[in-house]
Amino acid sequence: KNEVEQSPQNLTAQEGEFITINCSYSVGISALHWLQQHPGGGIVSLFMLSSGKKKHGRLIATINIQEKHSSLHITASHPRDSAVYICAAFRYSGGGADGLTFGKGTHLIIQP
Amino acid sequence: DSGVTQTPKHLITATGQRVTLRCSPRSGDLSVYWYQQSLDQGLQFLIQYYNGEERAKGNILERFSAQQFPDLHSELNLSSLELGDSALYFCASSVGGQTSTDTQYFGPGTRLTVL
Repeated sequence: KNEVEQSPQNLTAQEGEFITINCSYSVGISALHWLQQHPGGGIVSLFMLSSGKKKHGRLIATINIQEKHSSLHITASHPRDSAVYICAAFRYSGGGADGLTFGKGTHLIIQP
Repeated sequence: DSGVTQTPKHLITATGQRVTLRCSPRSGDLSVYWYQQSLDQGLQFLIQYYNGEERAKGNILERFSAQQFPDLHSELNLSSLELGDSALYFCASSVGGQTSTDTQYFGPGTRLTVL
């Protein structure tokens, strides 16, 4: 079982819909990252969270440390939001920093 | 444009060969991270360097090695290549060395095809 699980794997929605992508992790973490990968392959870091909630434009990310769960929300979705959204958890192990562990990604398509 | 450059964009080579991927971080960034993205495994963290020193190690094979030079550019060396090494290789950079707090800026990637 992957340490970081995302759902859904694929999501198709109509323009204007409210989108939620979920991320669950099975280990204690120091931080959680949300990334966006465009159809051309480029990757952009959207958020880093260690607690609470962050907002940037139409994007909102939340994390519940006790439940080991994070969500990424997109309000008033637009076709340009079509991309793969990836969550990644960061933790320290006994041997030091481990780097990021990635989910498999959620492939989002917003239809006009 | 993230400010991180990677060369080459595409690389096609044969099994058993050795290749070098190059990454130049954003101006002022001290950390360089290397990632591998394959169709079956998704994104995997390989290794991080901070100001010339190895900071963290992930799922990097023994056939792979990396280094960061005094001018802060980094190279990822892949040797004894296998078909399964075919993937997109990304590097990212950040100002500091803390994955938990630093925003990472990703390069465009190098697509490696091993035939």
